[in-house]
Amino acid sequence: AQKITQTQPGMFVQEKEAVTLDCTYDTSDPSYGLFWYKQPSSGEMIFLIYQGSYDQQNATEGRYSLNFQKARKSANLVISASQLGDSAMYFCAMSFSGGYNKLIFGAGTRLAVHP
Amino acid sequence: DAGVTQSPTHLIKTRGQQVTLRCSPKSGHDTVSWYQQALGQGPQFIFQYYEEEERQRGNFPDRFSGHQFPNYSSELNVNALLLGDSALYLCASSADRDETKNIQYFGAGTRLSVL
Repeated sequence: AQKITQTQPGMFVQEKEAVTLDCTYDTSDPSYGLFWYKQPSSGEMIFLIYQGSYDQQNATEGRYSLNFQKARKSANLVISASQLGDSAMYFCAMSFSGGYNKLIFGAGTRLAVHP
Repeated sequence: DAGVTQSPTHLIKTRGQQVTLRCSPKSGHDTVSWYQQALGQGPQFIFQYYEEEERQRGNFPDRFSGHQFPNYSSELNVNALLLGDSALYLCASSADRDETKNIQYFGAGTRLSVL
């Protein structure tokens, strides 16, 4: 069975600094996808970044990068130059072959950016 | 280009009642998935619709049912509401391509309160 673990219930960071949000996953499938979403207090889940299990390079999207360590089954999100608007819940999720892109989510990490 | 839209935004029902939630997918998307997010938790997959059929279902009772229309929009119906059904219900749409790479785009959700 597939599982996502986010061990940090809450994190805080100073504005303009970088922060890493942890995510580990468990699956026996060789083909899977890893996603990060941001959920502000409004409730909408906003897609941030995607990493495929066969991708050779770590994914990057603007200030977001994904530190993908396949052997350790980790997919940490790095946010550089944090902004006040980055304060939100962050969810790690995975899709897997045979799952028709059904997403399995972790419990989330609440990030607070301080001025 | 309109994103995923959900209606209503908020709903209050009493135990035993029935509720219908609606979702219009992002333009160009043909697959709709529904998720339930209880307070303080990550979203849980309810079911997915493709070509007007339920393609995959999560661990939810038969009280939860759905429908997809020819224009790809979808409804989620919940019968015999329980207090535990109180949650944020999220709709996500995607284009049916590689099942591990499809990015799901979410709506802002419907917050259901059962009294």
